[in-house]
Amino acid sequence: IAGITQAPTSQILAAGRRMTLRCTQDMRHNAMYWYRQDLGLGLRLIHYSNTAGTTGKGEVPDGYSVSRANTDDFPLTLASAVPSQTSVYFCASSEGQGNTDTQYFGPGTRLTVL
Amino acid sequence: GDSVVQTEGQVLPSEGDSLIVNCSYETTQYPSLFWYVQYPGEGPQLHLKAMKANDKGRNKGFEAMYRKETTSFHLEKDSVQESDSAVYFCALSDEWNNRLAFGKGNQVVVIP
Repeated sequence: IAGITQAPTSQILAAGRRMTLRCTQDMRHNAMYWYRQDLGLGLRLIHYSNTAGTTGKGEVPDGYSVSRANTDDFPLTLASAVPSQTSVYFCASSEGQGNTDTQYFGPGTRLTVL
Repeated sequence: GDSVVQTEGQVLPSEGDSLIVNCSYETTQYPSLFWYVQYPGEGPQLHLKAMKANDKGRNKGFEAMYRKETTSFHLEKDSVQESDSAVYFCALSDEWNNRLAFGKGNQVVVIP
């Protein structure tokens, strides 16, 4: 069982380009999340999805969009990348949306926007 | 909104020393509290958790007590090992959902 996979592992992107970060989980978890990690700021929630077909905004959603067409996949899209979106992006999932459900994180995607 | 505060930056205990990593929180709700650990090149993973006041989370010799009266959830270990070197994040989720609010993290480097 792979758990959560993210692709690409790392990417350098020119400002203004469109980019989609991929996330797939094989645990049949209902809830999925995208966080960004910046030095000195910890992890901040970008978007989440409590179940397939629904999404919601987190703490820092501007400049990002997500979709949840099925249970397993939760792609994150940057429509027009800017340098401030340089960060490490983590996808996570949990069995349910309750506050006792453990979140499991993927290995991350390191994105650099020049 | 909900927030988590971890004030120290890098923590540099020697092997065998005791360790305390401070965490305080602010929320109007009844949160669940978590410590996540992150090793180099990996995503965070759950280290321990406590679901309600006066609960104590435990894992691999680490403990954290959910103290509602002081709104704190400090991570403690009596005797650290070099393998405990990692970044530790305190986090909370409120009673209505599972969206985590993280502290800034503390890098613990155990000196052999």
